[in-house]
Amino acid sequence: QKEVEQDPGPLSVPEGAIVSLNCTYSNSAFQYFMWYRQYSRKGPELLMYTYSSGNKEDGRFTAQVDKSSKYISLFIRDSQPSDSATYLCAMILSGGYNKLIFGAGTRLAVHP
Amino acid sequence: EPEVTQTPSHQVTQMGQEVILRCVPISNHLYFYWYRQILGQKVEFLVSFYNNEISEKSEIFDDQFSVERPDGSNFTLKIRSTKLEDSAMYFCASSESSGGHYEQYFGPGTRLTVT
Repeated sequence: QKEVEQDPGPLSVPEGAIVSLNCTYSNSAFQYFMWYRQYSRKGPELLMYTYSSGNKEDGRFTAQVDKSSKYISLFIRDSQPSDSATYLCAMILSGGYNKLIFGAGTRLAVHP
Repeated sequence: EPEVTQTPSHQVTQMGQEVILRCVPISNHLYFYWYRQILGQKVEFLVSFYNNEISEKSEIFDDQFSVERPDGSNFTLKIRSTKLEDSAMYFCASSESSGGHYEQYFGPGTRLTVT
């Protein structure tokens, strides 16, 4: 079983839709959760960072962590064509030296 | 806004040659990392570096790899004898020392092509 599972997509939605992106993980010791956005052949760009369980909102983006289900989500409201990118979830183990463990990434296309 | 920079953006080298990839982390950050992404695959951790020493390394980071902070601003990854399978995007990242030190900021990457 992979440590972090993420559906690679692609996910295609119309402009203005609510997008839901998800990751599951197997190791209950993961404590810190991030979402990155990556445009083609560019570096990952940090979008959201959450610690342990709960929700965090930043503009059109909401990150959710459900540690009991080992499941994290990123919601994008009012999606725009500029949101078209690959979205990577990443996690850090409790007590780890900040090593990020990434999911495979979900490719999102928002069409006008 | 401060950002991580990397040079070169693209490096082509022949198998067996040594390459040095360079990074300038965000100036007040104290933790530094290298990751790589083979085309179409996940971003993979290579090594983390703090206080002038390696704090963690992956099984990928074998004896052909080394990292160095030669001065107060640069952070380098050296690959001693490149192999075809080293072809990938290499990303440098940095994070600050306290509070938000788990938030890692990535550079734009160096695309390494080994022929």
